[in-house]
Amino acid sequence: TAGITQAPTSQILAAGRSMTLRCTQDMRHNAMYWYRQDLGLGLRLIHYSNTAGTTGKGEVPDGYSVSRANTDDFPLTLASAVPSQTSVYFCASSDDGLAGVNEQFFGPGTRLTVL
Amino acid sequence: GQNIDQPTEMTATEGAIVQINCTYQTSGFNGLFWYQQHAGEAPTFLSYNVLDGLEEKGRFSSFLSRSKGYSYLLLKELQMKDSASYLCAALDSNYQLIWGAGTKLIIKP
Repeated sequence: TAGITQAPTSQILAAGRSMTLRCTQDMRHNAMYWYRQDLGLGLRLIHYSNTAGTTGKGEVPDGYSVSRANTDDFPLTLASAVPSQTSVYFCASSDDGLAGVNEQFFGPGTRLTVL
Repeated sequence: GQNIDQPTEMTATEGAIVQINCTYQTSGFNGLFWYQQHAGEAPTFLSYNVLDGLEEKGRFSSFLSRSKGYSYLLLKELQMKDSASYLCAALDSNYQLIWGAGTKLIIKP
C-alpha cells in the first residue's frame, strides 16, 4: 500500500517563482496537514483540512495556500518563493480530523531549497 | 503561549535503558503523542496517552502526568536501530498538535 506520497522528492527553486508541492493519500482519511520542519525547531503546521472542501490556517500560513478538492489530494502552493521557505515539507493525514485523537501518517517529505 | 520542552540530545549504550522527558504547556489538552524520526525520513507514530499512567508497548513505554504537564518515553534493551530523533507533541483544545523540537538519541555500542 502506498499510504501517502509526495512529489517532488526535492527541488531547487529560484526566489520569486511559484511552485506546487503535491500530496496524495490512499487511506481515505478525512484530515490532511502540511508541516514544515526546520533544524532546531519542531514541526510547524502550515495549513490543514479536516475534510474535503474545507481548509484552515495553521501556525505559519503566510506565503502558502492549499486546496482540498477531493479526499485524496492536498496540494500546497508557494505563490512567490522566498529563501526563508527553504525547508523540508511533510504532508500528513489522519482518520478523524474533528476528534483529532488518531495518529497522523506522514509522507516521505519534500526538501525545498529557495535561492 | 504554547510550548513543548524536551532535551536536544541524549546518548545511551546499546542494551541499556533511556528515558526521554517532555514537558508541555498548551491551551487545553487532549493527549500526548510520541513519534520516532530517523534521519532523512518521515516521523512515525509510537504512542498516545490521554490518561495519567504508563502505557507499555514492547520495548517502548510512555508515561503521562496531566497535573504536572509531563510525559516521558522509556526505551528498554536499546538497539542500534533506536538511534533517531524522538518527537513529543501535545494536542491542544483545538485538536491541533503542538510539536517539540525533538530529542536526538545517539546509541553507542
